[in-house]
Amino acid sequence: DTAVSQTPKYLVTQMGNDKSIKCEQNLGHDTMYWYKQDSKKFLKIMFSYNNKELIINETVPNRFSPKSPDKAHLNLHINSLELGDSAVYFCASSHQRTGELFFGEGSRLTVL
Amino acid sequence: DQQVKQNSPSLSVQEGRISILNCDYTNSMFDYFLWYKKYPAEGPTFLISISSIKDKNEDGRFTVFLNKSAKHLSLHIVPSQPGDSAVYFCAAILNTGFQKLVFGTGTRLLVSP
Repeated sequence: DTAVSQTPKYLVTQMGNDKSIKCEQNLGHDTMYWYKQDSKKFLKIMFSYNNKELIINETVPNRFSPKSPDKAHLNLHINSLELGDSAVYFCASSHQRTGELFFGEGSRLTVL
Repeated sequence: DQQVKQNSPSLSVQEGRISILNCDYTNSMFDYFLWYKKYPAEGPTFLISISSIKDKNEDGRFTVFLNKSAKHLSLHIVPSQPGDSAVYFCAAILNTGFQKLVFGTGTRLLVSP
């Protein structure tokens, strides 16, 4: 019974395509995040939503558009994929004002 | 500009010995620090944390030490076990009203039997 689940786990696609990664949490948390782990293994925050409202947007290109239909879901849509978008994307959730994030297993995106 | 640094990419320790993982930070506004553990093909999992008002927090075999004047924290694991082999990420919170974790680059710990 996975707490934070992401789909798909692996995604291989061509440059220029549009793709989405879905995330769902069943922990009852009110805050959800997207993190990107690049080739240098840096884990960097991209977005954070609290109660479906965007609260953190870390200078991510407009091609990345998060969507939170409800508190339990935060999906990531990426338009016009570029080679540099290849990375592992982690979804996470937490109660507001705690640092204890619960992460999903990650979605490895490869752009060819 | 990496505000949280883990300068040792890897560490090898024998089972039963102490593992010491180090982390340095540059931003004095960080007020909460955490360690996460990550196994391959899994997401990071929370391990232990410490508030900036403390200098030590202990949880079983895991102890985190914070030296604010040196902007340095460390994670001690004793005794180390083979199951502790994983990548350990140090993280710091810049409390801007909502939590924003800044992660280090991780240290891969290998505990050999």
